Formats: sequence, structure tokens, C-alpha cells
Amino acid sequence: DAGVIQSPRHEVTEMGQEVTLRCKPISGHNSLFWYRQTMMRGLELLIYFNNNVPIDDSGMPEDRFSAKMPNASFSTLKIQPSEPRDSAVYFCASSFWPPVEQYFGPGTRLTVT
Amino acid sequence: SQELEQSPQSLIVQEGKNLTINCTSSKTLYGLYWYKQKYGEGLIFLMMLQKGGEEKSHEKITAKLDEKKQQSSLHITASQPSHAGIYLCGADKNIQGAQKLVFGQGTRLTINP
Repeated sequence: DAGVIQSPRHEVTEMGQEVTLRCKPISGHNSLFWYRQTMMRGLELLIYFNNNVPIDDSGMPEDRFSAKMPNASFSTLKIQPSEPRDSAVYFCASSFWPPVEQYFGPGTRLTVT
Repeated sequence: SQELEQSPQSLIVQEGKNLTINCTSSKTLYGLYWYKQKYGEGLIFLMMLQKGGEEKSHEKITAKLDEKKQQSSLHITASQPSHAGIYLCGADKNIQGAQKLVFGQGTRLTINP
């Protein structure tokens, strides 16, 4: 299996623009997690899905952030409008349910200028 | 909320030396996970500990969870350059499994040849 795939790997955008991050989980996994990593706050869970249904989005920082999982093989994390403080590395991870080991993607490095 | 504190924050050791990284929780740990991260990459699962006093080993890495389930240590024997990276401990916020992981700030390990 190719592992968790994230795109793009790097994104540079201007403040106010919409940003969409994409994730393809490992085939057969039914749990998907979005994380954000910054130097200041470390690695934080934003939202997770089970069988395509959002289970807990309490980590989503504000309404500018939204995540969807239209099917078992694809998820998006959208930021609209983006702000410089959103600059971070965003990771997607997937696992079986109930999750024990989470498999992380390589991350998307987002820079908002 | 579950707070995880890792020590040291960074560690530089000579190749071949042993080292220990600690992870301390303010609350009882229902599940403790160790991950490794290399720069520019996602996290790689190392081990999970659940029972007080539990110890697991993989190659030259041993992880332990104390009896009170509030502290875990990761020990590397005869360190090698391949061990370099950032080690993160994560803990379940949910008793039912790795649904909501909170992570420590990480320990940056450098191995000098």
C-alpha cells in the first residue's frame, strides 16, 4: 500500500485566500484524523472521522476551518479565509477502528503570507 | 485536560551511548503511545503501552509504563544515527482507545558519530 497520501506537500498563499488540503487514507482504514503541528503548540488533533462521519471536531480552531470526508478514500480540510497564524504543518492520519496505531501522511506545509 | 510533559526537550548523544526520554502525565494514562518523527515527514508508530508496569521492546528501543500509569520512559540502547529524530509521546483522552490523542512537545534527539 502507498500509505497515507497528502496533497499538496507545500502550499504558499496570501492572507484571505481559500486553502484546501487533501488526504487519501490507507485503503481499508475506517478512521481518519487531521492534525496541525506548530512550534508553539506542538501537535494538535483538529478533527477525526469514523466511517466517513465526523466524530469530534472540538479541536477545530474556529469557523474558518472545515473538514469533509465524502467517501472512505478521500478527505479535505479547508481554511477560508486563511490567516498568517494558520501557517503550520497539517497531517492526516488513518487507522482501523477502534484505532490503536495511527498511520500518518507526510504532511502539508502551509505558509500564509 | 491531559497534559503531557516530555524531558529532555533535546538530547545530543554520542553514537553507541544509551539514552532515556521521559513522558509524564498529570492524569492516569489509559493508553500511552510513542511515535518518532523525522524532519519533513510524518510520525511513525513505535509502541503502545496500556497496563501499569508494562514494558515493550522493538530492536534497541524499550518503552515502559510505570505502575501508577502516569509516567513512561523510552530507552535506546547503543544509539545509532538512524535513531535521530523527534520522539513524541501521545496519550488517549478517551478511555475507549486512540480516538483523541494529545501529544507531548517532543524530544529532539541528535546522534553524533
